[in-house]
Amino acid sequence: AQSVTQPDIHITVSEGASLELRCNYSYGATPYLFWYVQSPGQGLQLLLKYFSGDTLVQGIKGFEAEFKRSQSSFNLRKPSVHWSDAAEYFCAVATNTGGFKTIFGAGTRLFVKA
Amino acid sequence: EPEVTQTPSHQVTQMGQEVILRCVPISNHLYFYWYRQILGQKVEFLVSFYNNEISEKSEIFDDQFSVERPDGSNFTLKIRSTKLEDSAMYFCARTKAGPASGELFFGEGSRLTVL
Repeated sequence: AQSVTQPDIHITVSEGASLELRCNYSYGATPYLFWYVQSPGQGLQLLLKYFSGDTLVQGIKGFEAEFKRSQSSFNLRKPSVHWSDAAEYFCAVATNTGGFKTIFGAGTRLFVKA
Repeated sequence: EPEVTQTPSHQVTQMGQEVILRCVPISNHLYFYWYRQILGQKVEFLVSFYNNEISEKSEIFDDQFSVERPDGSNFTLKIRSTKLEDSAMYFCARTKAGPASGELFFGEGSRLTVL
């Protein structure tokens, strides 16, 4: 069965510092991978997605993620964090075999300190 | 403007009562989903609905839950007899095609509190 692991429950970075949020997935076929962000009291918004092709994908708000098949990873990065980036980040894998569903990781809460 | 409108935004109910949560997509799409998020926990898949039929459901989606699209527009999630553990944020979402074709567009959620 497919699964998504986000090993860090929360991360604190200083404003202006770089950020990397880890994500590992388990899925037998070619994965469709996503990162979503959730601000407090809000729904989820897509940051970026990977379907195929270039393994480094660019998203909104200056985020990028790199797909590494050999490591089953899809880590999210940002070179310089802004205070407004403080939120919950969810990695997700979508399946399209038999049924339609997207499985989310447990999330990583990002705190940004001045 | 959200892609999906959910009502109510917050509902408080007594244990054992029936609850209906509604979702209205802005545009006419075929693929709909319900997810729930218990406070402070992960977003959990409940059910996907395609072409007016359940496509897939999780083990959470037991006989107490049902979905339908009664008038071709509203997409509803019904919980027949609520339990305390049903307290959560329920998100409706849609995709333009299957979930592997693109992003999920989420509504802002309906918060259900079961007392």
